[in-house]
Amino acid sequence: DAGVTQSPTHLIKTRGQQVTLRCSPKSGHDTVSWYQQALGQGPQFIFQYYEEEERQRGNFPDRFSGHQFPNYSSELNVNALLLGDSALYLCASGTGVANYGYTFGSGTRLTVV
Amino acid sequence: ELKVEQNPLFLSMQEGKNYTIYCNYSTTSDRLYWYRQDPGKSLESLFVLLSNGAVKQEGRLMASLDTKARLSTLHITAAVHDLSATYFCAVDGETSGSRLTFGEGTQLTVNP
Repeated sequence: DAGVTQSPTHLIKTRGQQVTLRCSPKSGHDTVSWYQQALGQGPQFIFQYYEEEERQRGNFPDRFSGHQFPNYSSELNVNALLLGDSALYLCASGTGVANYGYTFGSGTRLTVV
Repeated sequence: ELKVEQNPLFLSMQEGKNYTIYCNYSTTSDRLYWYRQDPGKSLESLFVLLSNGAVKQEGRLMASLDTKARLSTLHITAAVHDLSATYFCAVDGETSGSRLTFGEGTQLTVNP
């Protein structure tokens, strides 16, 4: 049974560029949440997708956007990259909106130079 | 705004010793999570505590939850080197739905 799959595992981008990160939820899960973890800090909630809609959003600028597809997979897009966007981006999947069974993926390490 | 505070942030201990990590949070919540993270890796779920007075144990780790005090503890018994990692607590606030707010993490080093 595959867990949460994220791609790519590592990515290097130049300041000002755009990036797309991908997440496939665990089998049976229909909710995807994205978190940003800067070095030495705890993960910070970016947003959550359920039924192809953004249900909740954290304190992140509009440069961060997302999408959920009918097969429940999700993308995180970041435009106009800043050096401060360098972080580990984690995807977590679950069931429904108010669930408590989160499974985290292995993450995408984004470096902005 | 929900806040989660862990202490200590850094913990260096000898093998065989016991210690406790504390997690305080600022608003009502019935759901408290503990995760382990190894360097450069993702989050590994350790415990999910769903009600006041909940206690869970796995090997040398035991977690408890006091929702009235808004406090959870992670107790380490007879530490071994393999427990060296960063430990995070996270809270799923009543008003935030399924949206985790994490503490800063406790970086644990167990020395031989």
